[in-house]
Amino acid sequence: AQTVTQSQPEMSVQEAETVTLSCTYDTSESDYYLFWYKQPPSRQMILVIRQEAYKQQNATENRFSVNFQKAAKSFSLKISDSQLGDAAMYFCAYRSGRDDKIIFGKGTRLHILP
Amino acid sequence: SQTIHQWPATLVQPVGSPLSLECTVEGTSNPNLYWYRQAAGRGLQLLFYSVGIGQISSEVPQNLSASRPQDRQFILSSKKLLLSDSGFYLCAWSGLGRLAADTQYFGPGTRLTVL
Repeated sequence: AQTVTQSQPEMSVQEAETVTLSCTYDTSESDYYLFWYKQPPSRQMILVIRQEAYKQQNATENRFSVNFQKAAKSFSLKISDSQLGDAAMYFCAYRSGRDDKIIFGKGTRLHILP
Repeated sequence: SQTIHQWPATLVQPVGSPLSLECTVEGTSNPNLYWYRQAAGRGLQLLFYSVGIGQISSEVPQNLSASRPQDRQFILSSKKLLLSDSGFYLCAWSGLGRLAADTQYFGPGTRLTVL
């Protein structure tokens, strides 16, 4: 069975600095998708970034980028120029190419220090 | 553009009372629909998902049930709530949308407290 592990329950970063959130996953499949979702205090889950496993190029969305290491099964999220609005719970998620179910990690709570 | 709605936003119910949470999606057709529960300080647990009207798959056996009476409507129900049903309930959809069919988009959620 697939698993997603986020080893950092909490992290803090100074405003305007860069922070990297870690995520590893376990799968025997070759076709899959990876996501990072953000859950601010409102608790709505917001898609941050998406990566297709067959693409070697790392996905980027403005200040958010990933470091996708397929062989190592690692999918970290880098947030550049951190802003106060980035404070949230961040979930790493995996979706098999065979079905529609998403497996979520337990999340990393990110604090932004002014 | 696609939007997803959930109501109510907040609900406080006594133990043993019935439950009905509603989720609707606009701007797309034949979406896949999902119900998740998030207990305080924890990750998301998939409860039900549906690939079409009347088609429901249950992931976790419990006293909750789901129905899909219309293409873009997904309802989570219970006949008798338990204390352990308290949590934050999120509805999500995937399908033809902004990015790709593999991506799930979430509603604003319902905070349920069972007393």
